[in-house]
Amino acid sequence: GQQVMQIPQYQHVQEGEDFTTYCNSSTTLSNIQWYKQRPGGHPVFLIQLVKSGEVKKQKRLTFQFGEAKKNSSLHITATQTTDVGTYFCAGIDFGNEKLTFGTGTRLTIIP
Amino acid sequence: DTGVSQDPRHKITKRGQNVTFRCDPISEHNRLYWYRQTLGQGPEFLTYFQNEAQLEKSRLLSDRFSAERPKGSFSTLEIQRTEQGDSAMYLCASSPQADTQYFGPGTRLTVL
Repeated sequence: GQQVMQIPQYQHVQEGEDFTTYCNSSTTLSNIQWYKQRPGGHPVFLIQLVKSGEVKKQKRLTFQFGEAKKNSSLHITATQTTDVGTYFCAGIDFGNEKLTFGTGTRLTIIP
Repeated sequence: DTGVSQDPRHKITKRGQNVTFRCDPISEHNRLYWYRQTLGQGPEFLTYFQNEAQLEKSRLLSDRFSAERPKGSFSTLEIQRTEQGDSAMYLCASSPQADTQYFGPGTRLTVL
């Protein structure tokens, strides 16, 4: 079955530093979504990428979808304490609707 | 608050007991999903409904698990004869179509 891996598992950064998490799927995806989960909270939708090579930006966040539609990345510029949480990618295969979540990257910020 | 509600928020039960969780999706959403999340892991898909039809079930969903969405609105997830390995957060999400999923706050189950 489909597997989605993320690296790194944990990332500790000084406030103001940049952060990147990488997501790799074992299969080609129809689309990929990114979610953020704060400690003790539930996943919150950030963005969906559909097209090969797509790049989308949300303020300090930049999302990319690979040309082969098997990998993706999330980059945060100049991290802030509000960025703390676990970032999950989640892929959707062609022909079905279930999300397969990645293993997540937990971001902590050192003030 | 996404508009998806789950009840109860916490459930502690003894091994062997049955438990039932409820999810109320955003009212105009015809798709409803159940996931299970254990500590340090991403949510794992369990099952989903389009209106009242259950369209897919994960192999994770053993015969002790059953889900219903009788009128295409709220859904229930029942676990029979609970085991300690069932301890997890059970998340419900709804969607108007096959894209953005809005998650509820989850029900945290502890099986003693």
